[in-house]
Amino acid sequence: DTAVSQTPKYLVTQMGNDKSIKCEQNLGHDTMYWYKQDSKKFLKIMFSYNNKELIINETVPNRFSPKSPDKAHLNLHINSLELGDSAVYFCASSQSGQQLRNTIYFGEGSWLTVV
Amino acid sequence: EDQVTQSPEALRLQEGESSSLNCSYTVSGLRGLFWYRQDPGKGPEFLFTLYSAGEEKEKERLKATLTKKESFLHITAPKPEDSATYLCAVQLTGTASKLTFGTGTRLQVTL
Repeated sequence: DTAVSQTPKYLVTQMGNDKSIKCEQNLGHDTMYWYKQDSKKFLKIMFSYNNKELIINETVPNRFSPKSPDKAHLNLHINSLELGDSAVYFCASSQSGQQLRNTIYFGEGSWLTVV
Repeated sequence: EDQVTQSPEALRLQEGESSSLNCSYTVSGLRGLFWYRQDPGKGPEFLFTLYSAGEEKEKERLKATLTKKESFLHITAPKPEDSATYLCAVQLTGTASKLTFGTGTRLQVTL
């Protein structure tokens, strides 16, 4: 079973469209993330949710709206797509707790191309 | 400002030729340092976490070490299947678990 799964894996869309990427984890973790990897392969955090509550929002344009219906799911909706949004988006999860060694596990990525 | 710098950017080794990758960091408070491996078209795969200076961890041909300023990923007698991008990331105290990544080292191991 895939621990962190995201769909779709590939997405090609036109500028101005709205699209969503879905993520699910079956690790029983309470914290989920969206990371963006640009063309230079630099990975940067966008959002984090803990038990469905937003805890990290890294100055991402408000065209990006994450939604967590429950602690096993974190979806990313993007409005009015721009060329610069083309990137690989990774979902990830971890278990919180100061005493826990909370390793973050990543999904396989969603390749978004805006044309 | 918190910074994570990896070097070299790219490394080409022959099979069996041992080497080390470097991750230097300047952060306000380190909670943990993580190493990940990323294959083309895949997500980062967790390798190690180091929490305190002097700590070492090993897995097959890989050994990670940590000092107060940097971490090394030593690769002993690498094989072609070790070819990948190796990512270093820091987790800071009081940052709700987020990772701050370096730009990675692309390793190619040839026969």
